Amino acid sequence: GAVVSQHPSWVICKSGTSVKIECRSLDFQATTMFWYRQFPKQSLMLMATSNEGSKATYEQGVEKDKFLINHASLTLSTLTVTSAHPEDSSFYICSARAGTYGYTFGSGTRLTVV
Amino acid sequence: GENVEQHPSTLSVQEGDSAVIKCTYSDSASNYFPWYKQELGKRPQLIIDIRSNVGEKKDQRIAVTLNKTAKHFSLHITETQPEDSAVYFCAAASGTYKYIFGTGTRLKVLA
Repeated sequence: GAVVSQHPSWVICKSGTSVKIECRSLDFQATTMFWYRQFPKQSLMLMATSNEGSKATYEQGVEKDKFLINHASLTLSTLTVTSAHPEDSSFYICSARAGTYGYTFGSGTRLTVV
Repeated sequence: GENVEQHPSTLSVQEGDSAVIKCTYSDSASNYFPWYKQELGKRPQLIIDIRSNVGEKKDQRIAVTLNKTAKHFSLHITETQPEDSAVYFCAAASGTYKYIFGTGTRLKVLA
């Protein structure tokens, strides 16, 4: 079945530094990937839609200059959290569309900013 | 904007009993409704889905019903087992394929 590999699974970084999270579709091409953030005991909040070869579409309230998304190939999308702060600590998870309505989620990245 | 409401936020049932989780969506263009199960610290896993041209779908102990007129859809789990304990999310999607998730239901099945 469709598999999305997400790395790293967890990361701890200092305030002010940047962190890059990668999502790769392993056995299918993903023209569209979605990036979500999930705070403890809360739902998945869509941050942005990543389209291969074009600019990402950000949801209202999400700073595009802080959360840089690059979707340079049909199998790779990256999310870079720039100048991270403790409030950015969260569970970040990507998903990719495999076929009509078929979504596959990555394994998630737990980011802790200290 | 698009919104999906989910109730209840927590649900405790005795092992063997049934559990029902309900969602209401706002976007009338929504035509696909998946349900996900998420265990602590893990990725959401699709457990069942339904399209708008179907009113009910069943897969063993799990069933989903859809009322398009009322914009309601529900997840039914029968004969619950301790391993059913998790957080369940509903979602609604339209032709844009963008999923709007519900707020989640934490299900506890008591042995």
